[in-house]
Amino acid sequence: AQSVTQLGSHVSVSEGALVLLRCNYSSSVPPYLFWYVQYPNQGLQLLLKYTTGATLVKGINGFEAEFKKSETSFHLTKPSAHMSDAAEYFCAVTTYNNNDMRFGAGTRLTVKP
Amino acid sequence: DSGVTQTPKHLITATGQRVTLRCSPRSGDLSVYWYQQSLDQGLQFLIQYYNGEERAKGNILERFSAQQFPDLHSELNLSSLELGDSALYFCASSTKQGASTEAFFGQGTRLTVV
Repeated sequence: AQSVTQLGSHVSVSEGALVLLRCNYSSSVPPYLFWYVQYPNQGLQLLLKYTTGATLVKGINGFEAEFKKSETSFHLTKPSAHMSDAAEYFCAVTTYNNNDMRFGAGTRLTVKP
Repeated sequence: DSGVTQTPKHLITATGQRVTLRCSPRSGDLSVYWYQQSLDQGLQFLIQYYNGEERAKGNILERFSAQQFPDLHSELNLSSLELGDSALYFCASSTKQGASTEAFFGQGTRLTVV
């Protein structure tokens, strides 16, 4: 079955600095990849997704991610962190023939003033 | 607001008891997913229904069961509860059965077993 690994359970950046959250996937068939964000006491909200086509995907709130098949990665980036970006971020994977969406363990992002 | 409604928001119950969690999907969404989020296990996929039929099964215990009704709302039944069942239970819905479709999550039901 497909799976994802998020490197780093906690990431701390200064306001205005680059945000980089890492995600590597494992799948025997072409994956569909997602990044979700979870704010305290809320459900998950989709930031962006990759299914097919352009490998650089832009999402909400200035986030983007690039699908790199050779590296089996789907890292999430944002050029300039904002205080409101502090949350938990989840990478997820599924495939065209499998409705079982597998999530990573999550990365908690802290933004320092 | 994702449009997915989960009730109740909080539930406290004793070991050995049975509870039912309810989910109303977004209007028009045929697919409902259930997830369990706990500190030690992370976010675990439990089960998916599409238009009333079970479509995929994940790490769902035999003590747990779910169903989707004709009006498309879904219920997750948890029985013989144990302390380890304490977690946040999320419901998500999507329009299609397909895996590439975005899933919209509810705010979750926090279950505490004492």
